[in-house]
Amino acid sequence: GAVVSQHPSWVICKSGTSVKIECRSLDFQATTMFWYRQFPKQSLMLMATSNEGSKATYEQGVEKDKFLINHASLTLSTLTVTSAHPEDSSFYICSGTDSPYEQYFGPGTRLTVT
Amino acid sequence: ELKVEQNPLFLSMQEGKNYTIYCNYSTTSDRLYWYRQDPGKSLESLFVLLSNGAVKQEGRLMASLDTKARLSTLHITAAVHDLSATYFCAVVSNSGYALNFGKGTSLLVTP
Repeated sequence: GAVVSQHPSWVICKSGTSVKIECRSLDFQATTMFWYRQFPKQSLMLMATSNEGSKATYEQGVEKDKFLINHASLTLSTLTVTSAHPEDSSFYICSGTDSPYEQYFGPGTRLTVT
Repeated sequence: ELKVEQNPLFLSMQEGKNYTIYCNYSTTSDRLYWYRQDPGKSLESLFVLLSNGAVKQEGRLMASLDTKARLSTLHITAAVHDLSATYFCAVVSNSGYALNFGKGTSLLVTP
């Protein structure tokens, strides 16, 4: 199956700083990438959808100025959490797709904001 | 708004027993997915169901889809401890690509 990687796998940052998470499709071209957030023992919540070369579409309630998404190429999308706060601590998972019928998930990035 | 409901949310079952997890969704969809998540890990794709009446089986797990009833089931046969995990169903609305997840079913298989 298609492979998606994320980097870093875990990160600890101080409150007020920014952190960037990379999502790469390794063996396919991801025309669309998705970013999800998962709090402990909860489900995945879609944050935003990004298409290569276009601005991301954010879900209701997700601050686009806080969660900056860039999908600069067909194999790379980045999520930058700006001015992070402890409540942003979560498990961030990206997925990529090149068809309507399957999404390929990355391994996730655990963010802890102290 | 597409809503996805799973039940039960928690399930403790003995090894060797059978059980079914249910996934209901609120609006028309022709794509339903089942995923497994182990603690601290990302999602593992189990099944992709794309048509009414679709049935897929892999090992001790079998998934089915009834688009008219807006219902999917994940049936577990003769459970073993290795099946302990959280199982999510997810549905895509007909107008898009984004997955709408259920709350997940946390399954614990005990000796």
